[in-house]
Amino acid sequence: AQTVTQSQPEMSVQEAETVTLSCTYDTSESNYYLFWYKQPPSRQMILVIRQEAYKQQNATENRFSVNFQKAAKSFSLKISDSQLGDTAMYFCAADGSSNTGKLIFGQGTTLQVKP
Amino acid sequence: SQTIHQWPATLVQPVGSPLSLECTVEGTSNPNLYWYRQAAGRGLQLLFYSIGIDQISSEVPQNLSASRPQDRQFILSSKKLLLSDSGFYLCAWSWDRGSNSPLHFGNGTRLTVT
Repeated sequence: AQTVTQSQPEMSVQEAETVTLSCTYDTSESNYYLFWYKQPPSRQMILVIRQEAYKQQNATENRFSVNFQKAAKSFSLKISDSQLGDTAMYFCAADGSSNTGKLIFGQGTTLQVKP
Repeated sequence: SQTIHQWPATLVQPVGSPLSLECTVEGTSNPNLYWYRQAAGRGLQLLFYSIGIDQISSEVPQNLSASRPQDRQFILSSKKLLLSDSGFYLCAWSWDRGSNSPLHFGNGTRLTVT
């Protein structure tokens, strides 16, 4: 069964600094996608970034980037120049099974950006 | 553009009462539809998944059910709520193009069973 593990329940970072959130996963799929979602206090789930396992290049979206280590099954999220609006719960997610779009989510990491 | 609507936003129901949460998607056809539940301070658990009208897959055994009477309508129901049904329920949709499509979530329903 696919599993996604986020080992950091809570983290904090000073505004303008860089923070990295960890995620490991386990899957038997040959091709799969990985995602990071953000859930601010409003509870709206917002897609931050996604990575296709076949692509060796790490995905980047503005201040957000990932460090994808396929052999280690690691998928960490780096937030550069942290902003107060980045305060949220962050979820790592992986495909549950091929071609269905079902995602398996980690338990989440609560990130607090301090002024 | 596509939009997803979910209602109600907040619901307080007594134990044993019925439940109906509704979700509709606009701007697309034949989407995959999902119901997730998020317990307090925890991750999301997939409850139901649908690839088409009247095609529902249940991911976990429970006293909840789901229906998809129309292409872009997804309903979560219960005949008798339990205290353990309290949580934050999220509806989501994705393109029916496989794993390349991320999930797009509604704003969620906070359900409190008293």
